Amino acid sequence: QQPVQSPQAVILREGEDAVINCSSSKALYSVHWYRQKHGEAPVFLMILLKGGEQKGHEKISASFNEKKQQSSLYLTASQLSYSGTYFCGTENSGNTPLVFGKGTRLSVIA
Amino acid sequence: DAGVIQSPRHEVTEMGQEVTLRCKPISGHNSLFWYRQTMMRGLELLIYFNNNVPIDDSGMPEDRFSAKMPNASFSTLKIQPSEPRDSAVYFCASSSQQTSEQYFGPGTRLTVT
Repeated sequence: QQPVQSPQAVILREGEDAVINCSSSKALYSVHWYRQKHGEAPVFLMILLKGGEQKGHEKISASFNEKKQQSSLYLTASQLSYSGTYFCGTENSGNTPLVFGKGTRLSVIA
Repeated sequence: DAGVIQSPRHEVTEMGQEVTLRCKPISGHNSLFWYRQTMMRGLELLIYFNNNVPIDDSGMPEDRFSAKMPNASFSTLKIQPSEPRDSAVYFCASSSQQTSEQYFGPGTRLTVT
């Protein structure tokens, strides 16, 4: 079951904040977040496990709400280098492969 | 480590031809994944291997697609015969465990004319 990401696209000015959401219709075991820059491969950002805490990566952090079956990625004080497409990947159990959402295209402008 | 290595980086071929994509995972990783990415369908898992054994190939679109992993350091994805709708970027990724972070290769951009 493919997770649903929102928004599909967002444009920010440098220094602004953004939130990207990822939700599933099924119970989640873990959520992975990746960023892909144009013409490049996806790059791992972080994993959130069931029962885990909110995680952070530089000025990018994420939370995992098991009850709501969703995760949110928070980008604070955005930089030009944050531009790219952000994908969440979800696992429904510890033995199932990731299913990726369609992505959220983030553009940071000066 | 050199990361995940894929070849070729670009492939242009005519409809009906056989195409073979190659992947060398990161040394020590025992899970390998093949993905296809298009604008319309996003990033789709085609097949994945654990310890060289195919675990789930339900994402392979048709019998024209096949994948092998003869040893821990090499995998191939073959399309025979190729069709224009197979045009996409094909990524290979590896991880140390089935459920841990995946490291993607640079991808192979396939164009079938």
